[in-house]
Amino acid sequence: QKEVEQNSGPLSVPEGAIASLNCTYSDRGSQSFFWYRQYSGKSPELIMSIYSNGDKEDGRFTAQLNKASQYVSLLIRDSQPSDSATYLCAVNREGNTPLVFGKGTRLSVIA
Amino acid sequence: ETGVTQTPRHLVMGMTNKKSLKCEQHLGHNAMYWYKQSAKKPLELMFVYSLEERVENNSVPSRFSPECPNSSHLFLHLHTLQPEDSALYLCASSQSGLGNTIYFGEGSWLTVV
Repeated sequence: QKEVEQNSGPLSVPEGAIASLNCTYSDRGSQSFFWYRQYSGKSPELIMSIYSNGDKEDGRFTAQLNKASQYVSLLIRDSQPSDSATYLCAVNREGNTPLVFGKGTRLSVIA
Repeated sequence: ETGVTQTPRHLVMGMTNKKSLKCEQHLGHNAMYWYKQSAKKPLELMFVYSLEERVENNSVPSRFSPECPNSSHLFLHLHTLQPEDSALYLCASSQSGLGNTIYFGEGSWLTVV
């Protein structure tokens, strides 16, 4: 099993809909979870971080964490064409080690 | 202006050339990273410097050589590269431990001809 798994997509949603992006991880000791957005030809930028089970909301974005199921998701409400990008999930491992990134899910919001 | 700056942004080099990528972070972080991102592939961690100690991915070829003279500057020296090394090279930094938030520079697009 890969350390951080994401569906590569593309995930296509209509403008105004909710986009749901999912990520699973293999290390039960992981404590820190991150979502990055990467536009084509650009570098990844941090959207949200989450450390505790439950939901964390920031504007149109909600991160959800379920450590028992080793699952983290990102919901984007009222999706806009400008949200079209690749979304990367990143997870830490136990100990002082670098984040592990998933392959990313490509999101396409159709106007 | 980003907190992590990379130069050059674009580089075209021949297989016999020697060039270097430069990265500078203005965030006061104590860990710096080089990542490689090829088309349709995930981010690949190449090298990490944390508190002046280097951690590397053993699968990185020796034609890539990092240098970290201090906590704010990071270089990637390139020598005798192959066309398959063409990719986006991303520098990043983080604070206080390797499992914390990583902030990326804008990247250096490398084309090897």
